Amino acid sequence: DAKTTQPTSMDCAEGRAANLPCNHSTISGNEYVYWYRQIHSQGPQYIIHGLKNNETNEMASLIITEDRKSSTLILPHATLRDTAVYYCIVRVADGNDMRFGAGTRLTVKP
Amino acid sequence: EAEVAQSPRYKITEKSQAVAFWCDPISGHATLYWYRQILGQGPELLVQFQDESVVDDSQLPKDRFSAERLKGVDSTLKIQPAELGDSAMYLCASSPFGQGYGYTFGSGTRLTVV
Repeated sequence: DAKTTQPTSMDCAEGRAANLPCNHSTISGNEYVYWYRQIHSQGPQYIIHGLKNNETNEMASLIITEDRKSSTLILPHATLRDTAVYYCIVRVADGNDMRFGAGTRLTVKP
Repeated sequence: EAEVAQSPRYKITEKSQAVAFWCDPISGHATLYWYRQILGQGPELLVQFQDESVVDDSQLPKDRFSAERLKGVDSTLKIQPAELGDSAMYLCASSPFGQGYGYTFGSGTRLTVV
């Protein structure tokens, strides 16, 4: 059973914020939300992760709802280089299973 | 920035032949993972090592696939014999033991079986 649900694809205009949603309604109290992205022909790249609080780093912001059943990855000023497949994963901190679904294909358009 | 090294980058092999992929994780990373990614799908975990020991190989097709990490550093994934359905990207990743951080992936080996 998939632990997360993401839209198959999204478009975003260059320079605008890209907001990528993820539903994880069965998340457990000790599971984190991780986000990765995969640019064509490269390995996945870690972006950010969080447990309860919103998180921000140099790449993106992660907003987790209070009930933790969904989250949103925000790329504040999308560029053409942000075109990629974005994966949302839930996992315990030291767990063995980083399981990837199909992800969301984000296309940033000029 | 430290990287996970994988080779070869591309491999074309005939079905029924043997093929091997190599991975060198980030220095000091105790945990190493091999994933397979079929075109259009997300990566699928094949095997996980903690140092030289296999932690999880439940998704590894053991009749034809084998993986080893003899000295707990670099690792080799082998397929013998290769089948047409094995055509995919094979990704290696590593992470520090006991840390809740993300994994660092290599660039992968793209295998085409003809």
